[in-house]
Amino acid sequence: ETGVTQSPTHLIKTRGQQVTLRCSSQSGHNTVSWYQQALGQGPQFIFQYYREEENGRGNFPPRFSGLQFPNYSSELNVNALELDDSALYLCASSLLVNRGGYNEQFFGPGTRLTVL
Amino acid sequence: AQSVSQHNHHVILSEAASLELGCNYSYGGTVNLFWYVQYPGQHLQLLLKYFSGDPLVKGIKGFEAEFIKSKFSFNLRKPSVQWSDTAEYFCAVIPEAGSYQLTFGKGTKLSVIP
Repeated sequence: ETGVTQSPTHLIKTRGQQVTLRCSSQSGHNTVSWYQQALGQGPQFIFQYYREEENGRGNFPPRFSGLQFPNYSSELNVNALELDDSALYLCASSLLVNRGGYNEQFFGPGTRLTVL
Repeated sequence: AQSVSQHNHHVILSEAASLELGCNYSYGGTVNLFWYVQYPGQHLQLLLKYFSGDPLVKGIKGFEAEFIKSKFSFNLRKPSVQWSDTAEYFCAVIPEAGSYQLTFGKGTKLSVIP
């Protein structure tokens, strides 16, 4: 157990719909990173939020968006779902001292999204 | 952009056998290197990391990894595996500059037969 929780555990949507995934960071952490893990692949970085602002983004289209709240929990929103969005979505929290730094990321259990 | 290659998709070993999982990365500058493990039904967790200093890094549960800069490699080793080591193992890299984006390999599934 890492103290990072994600909801829901599983989700089934149809193509074109929108989805919101949620992540509660570990107590004392101020940074949340989101990853997409397709079947048989390693996690791919989507974006990171540090103190409520986006702090870097991977190679994902703008229909992937996020938010971080004052309590450092976070949401990942995906609009206009496509079949290829079916994956395990992981969030990881960490404590950064500054925007450009690194500290160990603690992962949640993930949300399994299936797009039909 | 950096990338990480893990050579083996699935490795099957008997208990007490030695383990070596290969990992190569492509990035010309200074990197930070990691091995993560995902046990069945559990969260992804950090096994060990290399930032600088001694290129032989020791992690949890008897695992170690060696950073060979000239080969762009960071192979994971364990002298004697146990059934409880059955898991999926991911190598990951962060470039030292702009260090927020973990780039993972595709993972190696390890099955240990009792």
